[in-house]
Amino acid sequence: RKEVEQDPGPFNVPEGATVAFNCTYSNSASQSFFWYRQDCRKEPKLLMSVYSSGNEDGRFTAQLNRASQYISLLIRDSKLSDSATYLCVVRDDKIIFGKGTRLHILP
Amino acid sequence: ETGVTQTPRHLVMGMTNKKSLKCEQHLGHNAMYWYKQSAKKPLELMFVYSLEERVENNSVPSRFSPECPNSSHLFLHLHTLQPEDSALYLCASRIGGGGPQFFGPGTRLTVL
Repeated sequence: RKEVEQDPGPFNVPEGATVAFNCTYSNSASQSFFWYRQDCRKEPKLLMSVYSSGNEDGRFTAQLNRASQYISLLIRDSKLSDSATYLCVVRDDKIIFGKGTRLHILP
Repeated sequence: ETGVTQTPRHLVMGMTNKKSLKCEQHLGHNAMYWYKQSAKKPLELMFVYSLEERVENNSVPSRFSPECPNSSHLFLHLHTLQPEDSALYLCASRIGGGGPQFFGPGTRLTVL
């Protein structure tokens, strides 16, 4: 099993819809979890940290399921500007980036 | 955001040149990283300067040489690069203790 796995997509979603992606990780001792977004030819930018109790920031909700070893990101009322690649990041004794999930919001 | 800065933003060099990339962070962080991202590919960790993390850089060719003179500055010295080294080189920093990384805007490198 790969250390961090994401569905590469692309997810093609109409504007206004809700979309969710998961990210699985292999090390049960992983301690910290994050979602980043990366626009084409730009640097990754922190979207949100993922806490054990789940957390929400506006239209974005992140959740952690330690038993099944995955984190999720839910985007509600999607906007055209949400089109990007979403990177899952997991930290144990090192920081591991997933390969990203591409999201295209369609007008 | 100006927390992590990188210079130059763009660099074109020949295979025989020697150049250096610079990264500076103004966030008071104590860990710094170099990543390489080739076109349409995932991030590849090159080097880490951190007291907390295991470092994996066995696969990075010796034509890349990092230098971290203090906790705010990080350099990547380049010499005799190959065309396949053309990529976006990203610097990141982190506070430590489980905090997230923050990235600079990157240096887009083209090796002719």
